[in-house]
Amino acid sequence: NAGVMQNPRHLVRRRGQEARLRCSPMKGHSHVYWYRQLPEEGLKFMVYLQKENIIDESGMPKERFSAEFPKEGPSILRIQQVVRGDSAAYFCASSPEGANVLTFGAGSRLTVL
Amino acid sequence: GENVEQHPSTLSVQEGDSAVIKCTYSDSASNYFPWYKQELGKRPQLIIDIRSNVGEKKDQRIAVTLNKTAKHFSLHITETQPEDSAVYFCAARSNYQLIWGAGTKLIIKP
Repeated sequence: NAGVMQNPRHLVRRRGQEARLRCSPMKGHSHVYWYRQLPEEGLKFMVYLQKENIIDESGMPKERFSAEFPKEGPSILRIQQVVRGDSAAYFCASSPEGANVLTFGAGSRLTVL
Repeated sequence: GENVEQHPSTLSVQEGDSAVIKCTYSDSASNYFPWYKQELGKRPQLIIDIRSNVGEKKDQRIAVTLNKTAKHFSLHITETQPEDSAVYFCAARSNYQLIWGAGTKLIIKP
């Protein structure tokens, strides 16, 4: 089991560009969570998805940010028109349906120049 | 909404001594309490968890205690070692969400 796979691990974008972060959950896991972490800070919940459904996006900014988890393929967190304040580590975690344990991916580190 | 408070924010202990990190939660319906360890530049990893039907759980040098009446739970690390240096996060499950504490940076002094 390859665990939770995130890519890219590092992404550099200029202000105004788009960032796409991908997350493949562990095999058998149908629940995906995205978190954002600034240096020296905690985990900030962004969005919770199941296959083809956004369950809770209360932690995600209304503008420029979107997430999806299609029937086939990875979950994608998309940030449009990035600004310097978007620079952070974005972690994806997955869990089996109905379970509590979250398994985290290695994270994607976004740097906006 | 649910809130989890974690203390202290930084803890420095002598190698070999014990470390205790405490969390309180607000949702009395919370029934699952994990602890995650995050080393510098790495992903958070589950180190121990406890469910509301037990009061204590131990795994080698790590133990977690839960007081449901007072709504607090604690992480205990005995005989600390340099590799215990990391940031530790507590969390409490509320509905389908894990509500996270702000983290404790544990420093092990040689």
